[in-house]
Amino acid sequence: AQSVTQPDIHITVSEGASLELRCNYSYGATPYLFWYVQSPGQGLQLLLKYFSGDTLVQGIKGFEAEFKRSQSSFNLRKPSVHWSDAAEYFCAVREGGTSYGKLTFGQGTILTVHP
Amino acid sequence: EPEVTQTPSHQVTQMGQEVILRCVPISNHLYFYWYRQILGQKVEFLVSFYNNEISEKSEIFDDQFSVERPDGSNFTLKIRSTKLEDSAMYFCASRTGTGGKLAGANVLTFGAGSRLTVL
Repeated sequence: AQSVTQPDIHITVSEGASLELRCNYSYGATPYLFWYVQSPGQGLQLLLKYFSGDTLVQGIKGFEAEFKRSQSSFNLRKPSVHWSDAAEYFCAVREGGTSYGKLTFGQGTILTVHP
Repeated sequence: EPEVTQTPSHQVTQMGQEVILRCVPISNHLYFYWYRQILGQKVEFLVSFYNNEISEKSEIFDDQFSVERPDGSNFTLKIRSTKLEDSAMYFCASRTGTGGKLAGANVLTFGAGSRLTVL
């Protein structure tokens, strides 16, 4: 079975600094990869997804992620963080051939942004 | 933007009581899901539902759990006899299922969650 690891439970950055949130997955073939964000009191909002093609994908709110097959990684990046980006971020994977809606999530990374 | 709506936002119940968590998926979506997140743990898949029946369920989804789409809009999760370990945030999600993967038809839209506390 596939698994997803987000090594960083909590990250703190200053506003305007760059950000990289790490995600590693364990799966034999190319998975379908997602990043979701959850702000307090809100649902899980999709930031971006990778299904195939260009390994650098752009998402909403200025986020991007790069799929690196050799490293089994799908790290999320943003060049300049805004205070409103403070939230919890989840990486998720769907194993090919399984139900489209059955995702395996990482444990999440809480992002704190200092002014 | 269309939303998935969940009620209640927070429910406190006594162990052994029945709980029903309600969800209103996006109106043109065809596939429905429940996930849960125990505090400090990962978000876990519970069950998927399509065409008025369960299409897949996890090991967590045992006989105390059931799902139902009683009318054209609501999608419910019932826990028959709650246990302390059922305390968690429960997320409902839905997707269209049409248009092909590149159209985003297979992307889940999640609700804000229902926090269940079992005492």
